[in-house]
Amino acid sequence: DQQVKQNSPSLSVQEGRISILNCDYTNSMFDYFLWYKKYPAEGPTFLISISSIKDKNEDGRFTVFLNKSAKHLSLHIVPSQPGDSAVYFCAARAAYGGATNKLIFGTGTLLAVQP
Amino acid sequence: DVKVTQSSRYLVKRTGEKVFLECVQDMDHENMFWYRQDPGLGLRLIYFSYDVKMKEKGDIPEGYSVSREKKERFSLILESASTNQTSMYLCASSPPSRVLAFFGQGTRLTVV
Repeated sequence: DQQVKQNSPSLSVQEGRISILNCDYTNSMFDYFLWYKKYPAEGPTFLISISSIKDKNEDGRFTVFLNKSAKHLSLHIVPSQPGDSAVYFCAARAAYGGATNKLIFGTGTLLAVQP
Repeated sequence: DVKVTQSSRYLVKRTGEKVFLECVQDMDHENMFWYRQDPGLGLRLIYFSYDVKMKEKGDIPEGYSVSREKKERFSLILESASTNQTSMYLCASSPPSRVLAFFGQGTRLTVV
């Protein structure tokens, strides 16, 4: 039962254009969401996050939008650059016993930015 | 900078072998995690630990065990490796007060 879903396995975008990566979740108890970026043969690295009390968070070229009623979030990258080509994972926090934060990850979207 | 180090980048093991994957973090984090990454399935949580000698099952613990004897080290053990355990294994750590998890570089395990 996939609680965090990324329905697009891949996305191809021209350099300079906007990349929009989508993520849906089913558990209304998730209260924090993160995006990670992963290059081949490397571990995921944190990109940007958003709390469920907000609907938007921006960091440079990266913006994450959260629509709680639709249980949907999206990552916008503007402008897209070839170095952004990677797999992007959406993750949601599932609190555990108040002491540990467990992250539930989506299946990932492979972004290819064409020069 | 937080550093999470996994002992091997690539491993090839035979079916039935006992396999140890080691992970060390240098930031005194209480929480440590083991995930595996497979195409089309994303990152799935195998086990996690929120303190020394404490461990909890994740979503796919079958065929695995873990050990946390010291705070900085979290080991994943494949009791009897099978071909369906061929995967990329990722270790992560985080402090209890923060959501953010820091990942190691991953171990690509092939079981033949």
